[in-house]
Amino acid sequence: DTEVTQTPKHLVMGMTNKKSLKCEQHMGHRAMYWYKQKAKKPPELMFVYSYEKLSINESVPSRFSPECPNSSLLNLHLHALQPEDSALYLCASSQTHVSGANVLTFGAGSRLTVL
Amino acid sequence: AQSVAQPEDQVNVAEGNPLTVKCTYSVSGNPYLFWYVQYPNRGLQFLLKYITGDNLVKGSYGFEAEFNKSQTSFHLKKPSALVSDSALYFCAVLTGGGNKLTFGTGTQLKVEL
Repeated sequence: DTEVTQTPKHLVMGMTNKKSLKCEQHMGHRAMYWYKQKAKKPPELMFVYSYEKLSINESVPSRFSPECPNSSLLNLHLHALQPEDSALYLCASSQTHVSGANVLTFGAGSRLTVL
Repeated sequence: AQSVAQPEDQVNVAEGNPLTVKCTYSVSGNPYLFWYVQYPNRGLQFLLKYITGDNLVKGSYGFEAEFNKSQTSFHLKKPSALVSDSALYFCAVLTGGGNKLTFGTGTQLKVEL
């Protein structure tokens, strides 16, 4: 299995809702990432987990809460989002994090619309 | 700060012609450089990387890139473009001591018949 699977593919939520994005990989990768991507823009790093521990938080607002229950799963919990948070959220994984030339494998993304 | 720049927002090429997508880098020390491609409504796919060694790097789908230290460039090339190559291409560099992959602004490649 060489894929990163993200669910749901599309999500529409109101500003008072609580929802979660899920990401799963079975490649034995020990680093997992959340990126946010606006249309026609480059992905922006949000969080990095390495060996199930949060190693990087790019000053992301607390309304985004990551969770890594085990080495194969990565969640992004969403609460009280703003319309400007509407974007494509990409999950990625790599064999390890701090090893130099990591190649990231990306999922297809979850497209989030906040009303 | 370590960064990459993609000077062209869009590149148009006729099918069968060679294509080049430009990337320049600003890095202290040895750069770790990557190219990724994104098709509509999809995640990014890895094409190739330069770490060290041969300046000409071959990657997936017939793409290659040339690392040029004197010009601080890492341009993506393909000898003969296909309509199916039409996509958004991102150059990227490892930053933060190898902790972060930082992307360029992206170049939209359009290959026409």
